[in-house]
Amino acid sequence: GDSVTQMEGPVTLSEEAFLTINCTYTATGYPSLFWYVQYPGEGLQLLLKATKADDKGSNKGFEATYRKETTSFHLEKGSVQVSDSAVYFCALSENSGNTGKLIFGQGTTLQVKP
Amino acid sequence: NAGVTQTPKFQVLKTGQSMTLQCAQDMNHEYMSWYRQDPGMGLRLIHYSVGAGITDQGEVPNGYNVSRSTTEDFPLRLLSAAPSQTSVYFCASSRSANQPQHFGDGTRLSIL
Repeated sequence: GDSVTQMEGPVTLSEEAFLTINCTYTATGYPSLFWYVQYPGEGLQLLLKATKADDKGSNKGFEATYRKETTSFHLEKGSVQVSDSAVYFCALSENSGNTGKLIFGQGTTLQVKP
Repeated sequence: NAGVTQTPKFQVLKTGQSMTLQCAQDMNHEYMSWYRQDPGMGLRLIHYSVGAGITDQGEVPNGYNVSRSTTEDFPLRLLSAAPSQTSVYFCASSRSANQPQHFGDGTRLSIL
């Protein structure tokens, strides 16, 4: 079945460092891809999305490009801030079947130190 | 501007007890879903609904029941709680099945 694999954390960076969180997927169809962020004690918030190959999603300085040839959707940010400390989830949505089912990776914890 | 509201935020149960986790949304979304979040496993879909009166099973439905009598509400029922159901539960909603989902803040449930 469809699956999502994220790099294991935790990831610890200094403020203003460059961030990459790797995400690869396995899917039989043409899924939409998402990055969600979870701040401590809160629910998940949509960070960005891409619905087809070569689309680039971006928001709040974060970017990710839907790469069908490498089945990847890596999250990047040029300069992280302490406020970016959170858990980041990569997810895919099966576009067929109308189930709305999101398949999540295991999450990657990011800690940014001043 | 409430979005998706879950109650309670925390709950401790004894094995065998029953309870209902409440979820309400005020965005007139047709699609609603329940996930559980366990360490190292991301979120897994329990049940979902594509509209009032329509529900279906997700990836891990055993031990849980749902109903959808109104567009706004989508309660999750544990009929006989088991320690394996200790988890954080999230409700989500969206305009339709293929639109980005909005999540509530979660219910942290412990079963002793």
